[in-house]
Amino acid sequence: DIVMTQSPDSLAVSLGERATINCRSSQSVLYSSNNKNYLAWYQQKPGQPPKLIIYWASTRASGVPDRFSGSGSGTDFTLTISSLQAEDVAVYYCQQHYITPPTFGQGTKVEIK
Amino acid sequence: QVQLQESGPGLVKPSETLSLTCTVSGGSTSSYYWSWIRQPPGKGLEWIGCMYNSGSTNYNPSLKSRVIISVDTSRNQFSLKLTSVTAADTGVYYCARSYYGSVTHPYYLDYWGQGTLVTVTS
Repeated sequence: DIVMTQSPDSLAVSLGERATINCRSSQSVLYSSNNKNYLAWYQQKPGQPPKLIIYWASTRASGVPDRFSGSGSGTDFTLTISSLQAEDVAVYYCQQHYITPPTFGQGTKVEIK
Repeated sequence: QVQLQESGPGLVKPSETLSLTCTVSGGSTSSYYWSWIRQPPGKGLEWIGCMYNSGSTNYNPSLKSRVIISVDTSRNQFSLKLTSVTAADTGVYYCARSYYGSVTHPYYLDYWGQGTLVTVTS
C-alpha cells in the first residue's frame, strides 16, 4: 500500500493568516500518461463526513472558496489556506487514488490561535 | 444533488456480521463507483472496498476475506457485509461515490453519506 504521511499533526493559526499542510506519499502518485497527480484533499468538520475540497492535487472542487489551494507533484504535496476563517477549523486529510487500495494520510487538525 | 444515507444496526456482537445499506438519491447506482470507508473513533479513514453496477467489486486486501459489497439497482442501494467482527471494527462507516475511475481504481470521492456509528460489543 502507498503510505501517506501528513505534517504537522496539528497547527494553530490566527484568523486571516496562512495555514499550510504537507502530505508525502511513499511512492509517486503522478501518472505520466496524463500528467495527473492522483491526490485529493478532504476537509472533515466535527460530527460531519469528509468533504472533497481538492482533486488532481490542485483542482478545487465545486463551491470551495478560492482561499484553498493545492500544489505539488510526485510525492510531495501541500494544501494552503491563504487566509484562515473560523469555518475552516477542521481536520484535513490527503488521499491517494493512484494505486488500490486508496489510502489516506493520518489527518491534520487546524485550529484557531 | 446526489445524496447518500447509511442505515443499519448500531450495535453488533463480536464474531457476528455487520450489515449496512447505503441508499442513493439524485444519482443511479447503475453508474459510477460506490465505496465504503470507515473511521474508528478519533482516528483516520480506511477504505474498505468499492463496487460497480456490473457486480464487479474491489476490496482492501486487509479486509478482503471478511467483506462483501453488493448492489440492488432496483432500490438504488448498495450494501456492506463484514463478517466475524471484533472490537477493532467499531467506528463510523461511510458510503461514498467516485464519479471517475474504474472498480479496480476508483478515483477521488466526491459525495459522502453522513456516516453511521457501529459499535461491536457483547
